[in-house]
Amino acid sequence: GNSVTQMEGPVTLSEEAFLTINCTYTATGYPSLFWYVQYPGEGLQLLLKATKADDKGSNKGFEATYRKETTSFHLEKGSVQVSDSAVYFCALSLSFGNEKLTFGTGTRLTIIP
Amino acid sequence: GAGVSQSPRYKVAKRGQDVALRCDPISGHVSLFWYQQALGQGPEFLTYFQNEAQLDKSGLPSDRFFAERPEGSVSTLKIQRTQQEDSAVYLCASTQTGGSYEQYFGPGTRLTVT
Repeated sequence: GNSVTQMEGPVTLSEEAFLTINCTYTATGYPSLFWYVQYPGEGLQLLLKATKADDKGSNKGFEATYRKETTSFHLEKGSVQVSDSAVYFCALSLSFGNEKLTFGTGTRLTIIP
Repeated sequence: GAGVSQSPRYKVAKRGQDVALRCDPISGHVSLFWYQQALGQGPEFLTYFQNEAQLDKSGLPSDRFFAERPEGSVSTLKIQRTQQEDSAVYLCASTQTGGSYEQYFGPGTRLTVT
């Protein structure tokens, strides 16, 4: 079946530190890959996506590259801010007629000033 | 431009009671999804509608769970004879069809079964 494995948290970093949250996947076929973010007290929001191998998704200083050879989609940011504190979910979908998402367990990120 | 709304936001039910959770998707969105998120976990797929047709209900955990979307807009997730293991946040998401890929999530309904 399809699954997503992401780095367990919680992760605590100082402001301006470099961030990596690892994500690997198992899928039958060629999935689209996503990072969703859940800020405190808010609903899930799409952060970035990539729909084919070697695509790079980016948004708000975050980046992730779809690596088919390593089945990975690691999230990176060069300099984190306190406002990036949230829970981050890696997810995939196999969009042939049903774009249901398969999520990882989430990584809670806390940035300390 | 309202987003996806869900009601109630919080629901406490005694074990054995029936509950109904409502989702109002973004106007014009064809596809609607329900997910269940247990504490500390990622959301898990329950069921999917395209317009009024329920095309996938493979994630519903038991026959106590039932979902409908009779007019292709508002959807209701019903849980009969609630059990403690049903305690979770129930998320609804909607999307345009045609490969936009972005699902817009509602704030969720937190169900606590006592």
